[in-house]
Amino acid sequence: EAGVTQSPTHLIKTRGQQATLRCSPISGHTSVYWYQQALGLGLQFLLWYDEGEERNRGNFPPRFSGRQFPNYSSELNVNALELEDSALYLCASSLVREGEQYFGPGTRLTVT
Amino acid sequence: RKEVEQDPGPFNVPEGATVAFNCTYSNSASQSFFWYRQDCRKEPKLLMSVYSSGNEDGRFTAQLNRASQYISLLIRDSKLSDSATYLCVVIVNQGGKLIFGQGTELSVKP
Repeated sequence: EAGVTQSPTHLIKTRGQQATLRCSPISGHTSVYWYQQALGLGLQFLLWYDEGEERNRGNFPPRFSGRQFPNYSSELNVNALELEDSALYLCASSLVREGEQYFGPGTRLTVT
Repeated sequence: RKEVEQDPGPFNVPEGATVAFNCTYSNSASQSFFWYRQDCRKEPKLLMSVYSSGNEDGRFTAQLNRASQYISLLIRDSKLSDSATYLCVVIVNQGGKLIFGQGTELSVKP
C-alpha cells in the first residue's frame, strides 16, 4: 500500500513569492494534517483538513492557507514568502479523525 | 513550561543494551499518546500508540501513567538500526494537532 506522498521534494523560492505544496494521503484516509519543521526546531502544527473542511489551525499567520480536494488530497499555500519560512513541510494523514497519523517524506522549502 | 518534555540526550549505548526514555506532558486533558522515531532529515515514523494498560511490540514497550502525566518507552536488546531521535507525542482534547516533544537522540554503538 502506498504511503503519504508529497510534491515537490524540494522547492526554492525568493522572498515575496508564493509556494504551493501538495500532498496525497494514504488510500482511504480522509484527514490530512500539515506541519512545519524548521531547522533545529520541533514540528509545529499548521493545519488539519477533514472531509474537505478546515478543522483546526495552528499559530501561523493567514498567509499560510490550504485546501482539501474531493479525492482527499491537499494543498498548502504560503503567500508572501519570508526567509524564516524555510523549513521542511510535512503532511500526514489518518484513517479516522484524530487517529494515528502517518507522515509523508516532506517538501523542503528554501526561501532566498 | 513546554507542553511535552523529554530528555534531549544523546543516549549513547552499546548494542544489546536496554534503554528507557521518559516523557512528561503538562495538560491533563491530553487524550492520545504516541511514540514516533525520526531519522536525520527524514519524516517521523509512528512507532507505537501508548495506552494506559501499556503495550508491547517486539523489543519495544510503552507505558502511560495518567496520574503522573508520564509516558515511557523501553527498548530492549538495542540494535544499530535503532539509532534515531525518539519523539514523544500527545493530542490534547480535540483538534487533530499532534504536540511533539523535542525528541531524545539515541545512538547505538557496536
